[in-house]
Amino acid sequence: AQSVTQLDSQVPVFEEAPVELRCNYSSSVSVYLFWYVQYPNQGLQLLLKYLSGSTLVKGINGFEAEFNKSQTSFHLRKPSVHISDTAEYFCAVRFTGTASKLTFGTGTRLQVTL
Amino acid sequence: DTGVSQNPRHKITKRGQNVTFRCDPISEHNRLYWYRQTLGQGPEFLTYFQNEAQLEKSRLLSDRFSAERPKGSFSTLEIQRTEQGDSAMYLCASSLALEARTAKNIQYFGAGTRLSVL
Repeated sequence: AQSVTQLDSQVPVFEEAPVELRCNYSSSVSVYLFWYVQYPNQGLQLLLKYLSGSTLVKGINGFEAEFNKSQTSFHLRKPSVHISDTAEYFCAVRFTGTASKLTFGTGTRLQVTL
Repeated sequence: DTGVSQNPRHKITKRGQNVTFRCDPISEHNRLYWYRQTLGQGPEFLTYFQNEAQLEKSRLLSDRFSAERPKGSFSTLEIQRTEQGDSAMYLCASSLALEARTAKNIQYFGAGTRLSVL
C-alpha cells in the first residue's frame, strides 16, 4: 500500500537550534517528494521538492531535505531555526501512476521558543 | 501571478443547508485540485480537473458533493445537505501539467475555505 508517515506530531525546539522533521513513505513505484508549510489559518506553501537528480534539495527559508531511497525517507532539516518557523509542516508524495494527486502525511507541528 | 484564490475564506452554515465554494487558479494552470483537511490531519485528495474535464474523484467525494470547472478556469465545489462531519478546511490547488514534463507538475495551494457546520 502507498502511504506517507510523519513520525512526530509535535517537535519543540529552542531558537537557533537545529531541527529535523522526519518523513517516511511506502511505495512500490517511483515517487516525487515535497514538503509544504502551513501557517495558522493559511493554505500550504511549497518549501522544497525532489523530482530527480541530486538527493539533497534546498528550499526556501534555509530548509533542506535529503531523499534516501533505500530507507524510503525524505527528512526535512534546518541548521538554525527562528521563531517565525513555528508552523505545521507536511510531507507529501506523488506516486507515479496516480494521476498527479498528492498524498500527505499527518503533519508535524514545529514549535520554536526562546 | 496572483496565486490561487479561494472564496469565501470562512463559511458557517446550519446542518442540512447547501454551500458552494469557489476557486480561481493561477491563470495559465490547466489542472485544478480539491483537497479536504480536517483538524489535526493532512489534506486528503477529493478530485481534480484537467481543463474542464473532471478526471478523478476520491471515494471521499460522496453523492452530496459536486465539483465543476465549466470553462476550464475557475471551479466550484458544492456540498448539498451539509452534515457536521463536513466541517473542515477545503483547499484548492492548481498546476501546469505538460505531457512531456510530468515530473514538474507542481501544485500551488490557495488559503482554503474553512467550513463550520452547526
